[in-house]
Amino acid sequence: GDSVTQMEGPVTLSEEAFLTINCTYTATGYPSLFWYVQYPGEGLQLLLKATKADDKGSNKGFEATYRKETTSFHLEKGSVQVSDSAVYFCALWPYSNYQLIWGAGTKLIIKP
Amino acid sequence: DAGVIQSPRHEVTEMGQEVTLRCKPISGHDYLFWYRQTMMRGLELLIYFNNNVPIDDSGMPEDRFSAKMPNASFSTLKIQPSEPRDSAVYFCASSLLGGPTRYEQYFGPGTRLTVT
Repeated sequence: GDSVTQMEGPVTLSEEAFLTINCTYTATGYPSLFWYVQYPGEGLQLLLKATKADDKGSNKGFEATYRKETTSFHLEKGSVQVSDSAVYFCALWPYSNYQLIWGAGTKLIIKP
Repeated sequence: DAGVIQSPRHEVTEMGQEVTLRCKPISGHDYLFWYRQTMMRGLELLIYFNNNVPIDDSGMPEDRFSAKMPNASFSTLKIQPSEPRDSAVYFCASSLLGGPTRYEQYFGPGTRLTVT
């Protein structure tokens, strides 16, 4: 079945460091891919999305490129801030139904 | 828009008691989702509705759990009787199939349930 695999956390970085959070997926067809972010004490919110191969989603300095050949959607940011500390979820929408398939989440801790 | 509204934000109850969680989706949205989040199991989809009709409840853990959506602006998730292992954060989310945001689920702030 469809699945999403994320790198385990927590990921701890210093402020202004480069961030990569890996996400790979298994799906039939051509799913849409997403990154959601959950700040402490809050619900999840969409960070960025890509709906077809080679699309690049971007928002708030974060980017991710839909790579069909490697079935990946890695999240990157060039210079992280303390305020980026949160849990990041990779997800896919397989089109076969209306459920999102979620990764386990990766906790990001940014130290000043 | 006020976003997805959930109540209560926190609930502490004793084992065996009935618990009812409430959700008001964003006006005009036609899908509603109930999730449960724990450290051990992560984010789990419990059930989702389309136009107030339950579509998939395969994630509901046991018969102790039930969910209803009597109208487009209100849904409940009930646990009866509650058990300590039900302690978790429960999220409600809504979405709209049509339009540019069709992929996006809008989450409420969650209800933190503690069963002692």
